Amino acid sequence: EVQLVESGGGLVQPGGSLRLSCTASGFTFSNFGMSWVRQAPGKGLEWVSVISGSGGSTKYADSVKGRFTISRDSSKNTLFLQMNSLRAEDTTLYYCAKGASSRWDDGFDMWGQGTMVTVSS
Amino acid sequence: QLVLTQSPSASASLGASVKLTCTLNSGHTSYDIAWHQQQPEKGPRYLMKVNSDGSHSKGDGIPDRFSGSSSGAERYLSISSLQSEDEADYYCQTWGSGIHVFGTGTKVSVL
Repeated sequence: EVQLVESGGGLVQPGGSLRLSCTASGFTFSNFGMSWVRQAPGKGLEWVSVISGSGGSTKYADSVKGRFTISRDSSKNTLFLQMNSLRAEDTTLYYCAKGASSRWDDGFDMWGQGTMVTVSS
Repeated sequence: QLVLTQSPSASASLGASVKLTCTLNSGHTSYDIAWHQQQPEKGPRYLMKVNSDGSHSKGDGIPDRFSGSSSGAERYLSISSLQSEDEADYYCQTWGSGIHVFGTGTKVSVL
């Protein structure tokens, strides 16, 4: 069964850091691009970042560029999102999503259940 | 800049059909899209990919009641024989040069 399980969310102060993880199972992790998508309570989906299957290509939304870093460890079937300089507006539910191919340019065909990040003093 | 436009809401009676529209902006009218469903208090679920030629490929376990099509800059999601569990938000997604974009979502109500 294909499964994505996020972890690492929690409460952090403004300006602080947090690292999210997404553990994948049921497919060959290194063969697929992966993304992070977030959703504020009651709002729509906002794409955050993508990484290619090889890990060699990454892209970020303007809202997080320079503050967030996406990475992956294929030996552990895990996707990461390092979030620095966190702001109140980063308070949302974060989902990881599996791409339909190894490219960073393809739709998503699987979602995790999400992990909540709250930025507050 | 990639932009997807969706109507905020749609409704239809139990057992009826509904057709949702996702419109690509000028300069991007040949892009493929994906449809995702988000039921209340749940994470998104992939439904299908709709190609610019109108063909579509559905995710595992997606009922035959769901189908996709395309015309020009518009991509459609059709749901027939509406069930109560189809009441959800539906998002379209597209991508280009590594950038991914979601539409604002259409809330489907089953009357």
